[in-house]
Amino acid sequence: GDSVTQMEGPVTLSEEAFLTINCTYTATGYPSLFWYVQYPGEGLQLLLKATKADDKGSNKGFEATYRKETTSFHLEKGSVQVSDSAVYFCALSASSGYSTLTFGKGTMLLVSP
Amino acid sequence: EAGVTQFPSHSVIEKGQTVTLRCDPISGHDNLYWYRRVMGKEIKFLLHFVKESKQDESGMPNNRFLAERTGGTYSTLKVQPAELEDSGVYFCASSLTGAAWETQYFGPGTRLLVL
Repeated sequence: GDSVTQMEGPVTLSEEAFLTINCTYTATGYPSLFWYVQYPGEGLQLLLKATKADDKGSNKGFEATYRKETTSFHLEKGSVQVSDSAVYFCALSASSGYSTLTFGKGTMLLVSP
Repeated sequence: EAGVTQFPSHSVIEKGQTVTLRCDPISGHDNLYWYRRVMGKEIKFLLHFVKESKQDESGMPNNRFLAERTGGTYSTLKVQPAELEDSGVYFCASSLTGAAWETQYFGPGTRLLVL
């Protein structure tokens, strides 16, 4: 079945550091790929998505590129802020039929001043 | 426009009791999903409604869980009787068409603790 693997956390960074959170997936066909973020005390919200190979999703300074050849969708940000501290979830939805999301375990990011 | 809302935000019950969770999707969204995150594990799909019909309930763990969506608006998820392993955060999400590329909008979740 479909699965998503993302790096274990927590990831601890200083403000303005470069961020990479790795995400790889297993799925048939061409799934759509998502990064969701959960800030403390809040629900999940979409950060960015990509729906076909080589697409780049971007939002709030975060970027991720859909790499079919490596089945990856790594999340990057050039300069993190304290306000980026949250849990980040990589997810996919299958390419056919109605979409249900398959999630990775989540990666907690802690950014210190 | 109001987002997805869930009630209650927290629930603490004893093993063997019944709990009912409620989800109000974004108005006009035909697709409603339930997910659950058990501590330390992935967020797992439970079931999917299209309007009032169950499109996919393959993720429901067992017959102690009953979901309904009468009238195709809000949904309830009842756990009866609750067991310790049911503890976790229950998320509801909604979307307009249910297409694979479409964003699902999540509620804040209900944190359930079974003692």
